[in-house]
Amino acid sequence: KNQVEQSPQSLIILEGKNCTLQCNYTVSPFSNLRWYKQDTGRGPVSLTIMTFSENTKSNGRYTATLDADTKQSSLHITASQLSDSASYICVVGSFQKLVFGTGTRLLVSP
Amino acid sequence: DAGVIQSPRHEVTEMGQEVTLRCKPISGHDYLFWYRQTMMRGLELLIYFNNNVPIDDSGMPEDRFSAKMPNASFSTLKIQPSEPRDSAVYFCASSLVSSDTDTQYFGPGTRLTVL
Repeated sequence: KNQVEQSPQSLIILEGKNCTLQCNYTVSPFSNLRWYKQDTGRGPVSLTIMTFSENTKSNGRYTATLDADTKQSSLHITASQLSDSASYICVVGSFQKLVFGTGTRLLVSP
Repeated sequence: DAGVIQSPRHEVTEMGQEVTLRCKPISGHDYLFWYRQTMMRGLELLIYFNNNVPIDDSGMPEDRFSAKMPNASFSTLKIQPSEPRDSAVYFCASSLVSSDTDTQYFGPGTRLTVL
C-alpha cells in the first residue's frame, strides 16, 4: 500500500533554533518527492521538489534531503522564524499520482 | 497573476442539499486538480483535468461527486446530495505542464460544512 508517514506529528521550537522534520515513504512508482508548507487557512505552497536522482535541495533556510535507498526524506529548517509556523507536508509519487503525508505541525515560539 | 481563485471560501449547508464549488485556474495552465483535505486523511486527490478533459477520477469518493471543466478558465466540483462526512476543505490546484518537477499551485480552498 502506498504510504507517506511523517514525524513528528507536531513540534514546538524557539525562534532562532533549527529543526528537522522526517518523512518515510513506501510509494510506487516513485519519481519525485515534494515538501509543501501550508499556513493555517491557506493552500499548500511548494518548497522543494526532488527527483530520485537528487539527494539534496535548498530553498533559502529550507533544505530537503532524500535517500531513495532507505526511502527517507528530511526537511531541515535553519534559524527558524515566527513565520515558519505552519504545517509541512511531504508528498511522494509521480506527477499524476501523488501520495500526501498528513503533515507535521510546527509552532515557532518567541 | 492572481493565482488560483476558488469560491466560495466558506460554505455551510444542510444534509441533502446540492453544493457547487468553483475554481478558476492560473491562466495558461493546462492541468487542473481537485483535492479534499481532512484532519484524519490529509490531502487526497479527487480528480484532475488536462486541457479541460478529465483524465483520472479514481479519487472521487462516490457518484454523489461530479466535476466539470467547460473551458480552460473554469471548473466546478458538485456534491449532490451532500452528507455530513463530506465536510472538509476542498482545494483546487493548477499546473503548467505534465512534468515530475512541475509545481502545482493551490488555491485558498473552500471550507465546506454539512450539517
